[in-house]
Amino acid sequence: QKEVEQDPGPLSVPEGAIVSLNCTYSNSAFQYFMWYRQYSRKGPELLMYTYSSGNKEDGRFTAQVDKSSKYISLFIRDSQPSDSATYLCAMSAPYAGGTSYGKLTFGQGTILTVHP
Amino acid sequence: DGGITQSPKYLFRKEGQNVTLSCEQNLNHDAMYWYRQDPGQGLRLIYYSQIVNDFQKGDIAEGYSVSREKKESFPLTVTSAQKNPTAFYLCASTPTGVSGNQPQHFGDGTRLSIL
Repeated sequence: QKEVEQDPGPLSVPEGAIVSLNCTYSNSAFQYFMWYRQYSRKGPELLMYTYSSGNKEDGRFTAQVDKSSKYISLFIRDSQPSDSATYLCAMSAPYAGGTSYGKLTFGQGTILTVHP
Repeated sequence: DGGITQSPKYLFRKEGQNVTLSCEQNLNHDAMYWYRQDPGQGLRLIYYSQIVNDFQKGDIAEGYSVSREKKESFPLTVTSAQKNPTAFYLCASTPTGVSGNQPQHFGDGTRLSIL
């Protein structure tokens, strides 16, 4: 079983829809949670970053973390064709000392298409 | 503008050939990382470096080598020992390597294909 599971989709929605993207994880040490957006033939860009449980909102984007269920979500309101991309969740545990480091563990990515 | 520059954007490798992918950053970050991205598999860590002249193997280091002679540069060599090198390669960096609370910044990748 992978440490982080993400539904690869693809997900296709009409413009203006609310999109829900989700990841589940198995490592209870994860404390830092990120969502990246990746356009075709480009590198991932950071969308949202949250620490521990709770919600964080930035414009049309809301990130939600439920550590008790080991489940994180990204909601996109009023989706636009420009939101069409692959969305990657990523998470990490605090530094544990020695030669360890802030390793990011990624989900497989969800391909989203928003059609006009 | 600060950022990470990867070159070339596209690269072709012949059988038995070593190729080197360039990654340069002007963010003054200490830590740098190399990932491989394959369809449906997310990002997998190849190598990482927390400081100049030091680097560690990631999850899939076999067939790859790196060097870190300068803070701003972290080139990746794909050797002939890597039997399935076709993939999208991404370089990333963080201000320091030891904390788990720093999101990684990515370059725009190099797509490597076999001739």
